[in-house]
Amino acid sequence: QVQLVQSGAEVKNPGSSVKVSCKTSGDMFNNYAMAWVRQAPGQVLELMGRLVPIVGVPNYAQKFQYRVTITADKSTSTAYMELSGLQFEDTAVYYCGRVARSGGIDSWGQGTLVTVSS
Amino acid sequence: DIQMTQSPSSLSASIGDRVTITCRASLDISNSLAWYQQSPGKAPKLLLYGASRLASGVPSRFSGAGSGTDYTLTISSLQPEDFATYFCQQYFTSLWTFGQGTNVEIK
Repeated sequence: QVQLVQSGAEVKNPGSSVKVSCKTSGDMFNNYAMAWVRQAPGQVLELMGRLVPIVGVPNYAQKFQYRVTITADKSTSTAYMELSGLQFEDTAVYYCGRVARSGGIDSWGQGTLVTVSS
Repeated sequence: DIQMTQSPSSLSASIGDRVTITCRASLDISNSLAWYQQSPGKAPKLLLYGASRLASGVPSRFSGAGSGTDYTLTISSLQPEDFATYFCQQYFTSLWTFGQGTNVEIK
């Protein structure tokens, strides 16, 4: 069973940044791409970006490309997603997931709630 | 961006009912479609990929069909654990997009 374990909930002020972690196994890290998807209340799921950890080059959805940074630490098999310039509308659950070779995301982290509040 | 439109947005059904959810893409996505199930407070779970291929461990009462721009998810006999929200997702382009979800409720 593939496990992706995310960091805990965060409360942030507008204009600040948040960094969410996603720890998995070395095997998964070396053999699969990882994606970050967010789910705002009442909104459609949104892809933020993807990363192949062993390659280390991310690609970002255009909507987030100037605010999101996705990185990976191979020594700890942990991926990170940092979102800057937080606004109230960034309040959402943020998920990491393993990109299946056959398509879609076949394993998901438990989700991290980020609340932007003044 | 490819727009994914699901219908209906919600439905009420009883245990044992056959349920069909539709997903329409704004252009041909060549079967590059996944379906997910999400229960409240949980992460989505992959049900099908390639429009009609069951993901590992998914019961055979779930099936998918379609081609081009139009796809369906069918649950042949609704079980108590199937009351959840269902999403479609296209991965034909690098900018994946999701449908808005269909909430399946108990009648």
